Amino acid sequence: DGGITQSPKYLFRKEGQNVTLSCEQNLNHDAMYWYRQDPGQGLRLIYYSQIVNDFQKGDIAEGYSVSREKKESFPLTVTSAQKNPTAFYLCASSITSGEYNEQFFGPGTRLTVL
Amino acid sequence: GQQVMQIPQYQHVQEGEDFTTYCNSSTTLSNIQWYKQRPGGHPVFLIQLVKSGEVKKQKRLTFQFGEAKKNSSLHITATQTTDVGTYFCAEYSGGGADGLTFGKGTHLIIQP
Repeated sequence: DGGITQSPKYLFRKEGQNVTLSCEQNLNHDAMYWYRQDPGQGLRLIYYSQIVNDFQKGDIAEGYSVSREKKESFPLTVTSAQKNPTAFYLCASSITSGEYNEQFFGPGTRLTVL
Repeated sequence: GQQVMQIPQYQHVQEGEDFTTYCNSSTTLSNIQWYKQRPGGHPVFLIQLVKSGEVKKQKRLTFQFGEAKKNSSLHITATQTTDVGTYFCAEYSGGGADGLTFGKGTHLIIQP
C-alpha cells in the first residue's frame, strides 16, 4: 500500500526543546517537501529536497533543519530557535520529471509547544 | 515565490447551490494546481492547469485557467455535503522539485 506516513499525529513539547518530526514515503518519489500550516492559513514551504543528500531552504526555513540520508525519509527538526513552532506540519512528495508535479501529502503532525 | 491571492476566504452556501473560488496573481503563473483539504485532514490534489485558457472538468467541478495565465477559478455545481472543506490554489514554478506557493484557501461551508 503506497503512501506517505508521518508520525506522531500529535506532539507536545516544552518550550526550548528540539523536536524531530518523521516523514516516510514508499512511492519511490525523488522529491520531498515540508510545509507548515497555521489555523485558517495556506501552506508555507519550509524545506524541500530533490535528491538524497541534497536539500534547499523554502520560504520559512529559519529555526528548522532537515536531512535526506535515504530516498524514503525526510525528517524535520524544529529547533528551539523557531519562535512560534506550534502549527500543523505537512510532509509531501512528488516525482520531479515532466511538466506535471502532483504532490502527495502525508496526514500531518500537529505540534503544540507549551 | 510569488503570491497567489485567493477569494473569498469563506463561502456559505445552501446545499444544492453553486460555489466558485478565484485565484489571482499580479504576474504570469507558470501553472496552477488545485487541492482540497477536508476539516482535520491533509490536502489532496485535484488538478493541474498548464495552458492559457485551459478548462477541465471533473464531474461537478470545473477548473479554468485565464487567457493571460494570471487567474484561475474552481466552480462546483450543485454542492453536496461531501464538498465541505478548504480549496487551495497553488502555483508550481516548474523545472524541478521546487515547492508550491499556496493561496490562503477558500473555506466552503454548506448548510443543509
